[in-house]
Amino acid sequence: ILNVEQSPQSLHVQEGDSTNFTCSFPSSNFYALHWYRWETAKSPEALFVMTLNGDEKKKGRISATLNTKEGYSYLYIKGSQPEDSATYLCASPGGGNTGKLIFGQGTTLQVKP
Amino acid sequence: GAGVSQSPSNKVTEKGKDVELRCDPISGHTALYWYRQSLGQGLEFLIYFQGNSAPDKSGLPSDRFSAERTGGSVSTLTIQRTQQEDSAVYLCASRAGASGQYFGPGTRLTVT
Repeated sequence: ILNVEQSPQSLHVQEGDSTNFTCSFPSSNFYALHWYRWETAKSPEALFVMTLNGDEKKKGRISATLNTKEGYSYLYIKGSQPEDSATYLCASPGGGNTGKLIFGQGTTLQVKP
Repeated sequence: GAGVSQSPSNKVTEKGKDVELRCDPISGHTALYWYRQSLGQGLEFLIYFQGNSAPDKSGLPSDRFSAERTGGSVSTLTIQRTQQEDSAVYLCASRAGASGQYFGPGTRLTVT
């Protein structure tokens, strides 16, 4: 059974701080790694889909790296802002051809002004 | 264009009652997924529909849960004889081809 783990579970930072969190996944039979941002009362929003070892993707102040050999991905936020407060989810396809995603428990980030 | 919509946004029900949750996927998206997030847990896959193929029901937690997708579009998730452990946020997502999944805002179900 595919197991996706995220750490830390929650994080509180001050506005302007940079932060990062981790997603770990089985390195065997890797296919893709998805990052989503989920703000309260909104739909989870896709941030990145990463497929290649060594991939690094960036969207504004948010970036992510991928290491498929050791089975982890980091999400970085530079200069956190209050609007970055959300739960960040990573997920990997659960095998087969359904495209169903296996999610980690998420990292909840709170940025204090 | 319109995204995935779900209704109701919130539902409070008494233990033992049946509930129906609705999902309207993005027009033209052939794949539709249901997930749920219980308190303190990650998003958990429930069921997957793809076109006219038989659905993948492998994530449904018990036979009290069922889902259908009519005409390849709207889907309803039905929970019979609700239990307190069914309290969760139920999310629907749709996908077209090899694109990523687009999520709805979810239905927060509370079973009292």
